[in-house]
Amino acid sequence: AQSVTQLDSHVSVSEGTPVLLRCNYSSSYSPSLFWYVQHPNKGLQLLLKYTSAATLVKGINGFEAEFKKSETSFHLTKPSAHMSDAAEYFCVVRVGSSNTGKLIFGQGTTLQVKP
Amino acid sequence: EPEVTQTPSHQVTQMGQEVILRCVPISNHLYFYWYRQILGQKVEFLVSFYNNEISEKSEIFDDQFSVERPDGSNFTLKIRSTKLEDSAMYFCASSSSGRALTGELFFGEGSRLTVL
Repeated sequence: AQSVTQLDSHVSVSEGTPVLLRCNYSSSYSPSLFWYVQHPNKGLQLLLKYTSAATLVKGINGFEAEFKKSETSFHLTKPSAHMSDAAEYFCVVRVGSSNTGKLIFGQGTTLQVKP
Repeated sequence: EPEVTQTPSHQVTQMGQEVILRCVPISNHLYFYWYRQILGQKVEFLVSFYNNEISEKSEIFDDQFSVERPDGSNFTLKIRSTKLEDSAMYFCASSSSGRALTGELFFGEGSRLTVL
C-alpha cells in the first residue's frame, strides 16, 4: 500500500530564512509524488510534481523538492521564506498508474512565517 | 485563470437531512472528483467520475452518497441522510485527460458541512 508521512505538523521560520518541509513516502513501485498548498480560505493548489523524470523538481513560488529513492523522501524546500508562504502544505502520492485521480494525502504541515 | 467553484461555502444541517453540494469544474475538464477532510484529519478520497459514471470510490462512499453531472456543467455530491460524522470540508476537483494521468488535480475552495 502507498502512503506518505509528513514528519512535522508545524514549522515556524523567520522571513528570509530557508524552508524545509519533510515528507517520506512508502510505495512498492516508482511513485508519482506531489506537494499541494492550501492558503487560508482557498482551495488546494498544486505546487510541484514528481513523475519519474528529473529527481529535482521545481515548482511555483520558488519551491522545489528532491526525490530521493534511497531515503524514500520527497522534502520540500525554499531558499528564502516570504510572508505569503504561510499556509498548509500537503505531501501527496498518487495511487497506482490509472487516471482515477485517487490521491493519498499526508496529514499536512502548517508553515508559519514570522516577520 | 479558470478555477473550480463550489457552493455553498458553508452549510449547516440537521442530522438525517439530505444535503447537495455543488461544484462547477473547469470547463474543458473531463475527470471529476470529491475529497473530504474531517477537522484535524487527512484529506481523503471519496469518488472519481468520468464519462458519466463512477470510475472509483472509496469505502467511505457508501449508499448514502451519490454523485451526478445533471446538466453538463455542474457536478454534485448528495448525501441522502446526513450523520454527525459527515461533518467535514468537502473538496471538489477536476482534471483534464493529460493531467489526470499524472495526478494533477484542480481543487475548489471547499464546502464546509456541519451536521447538528
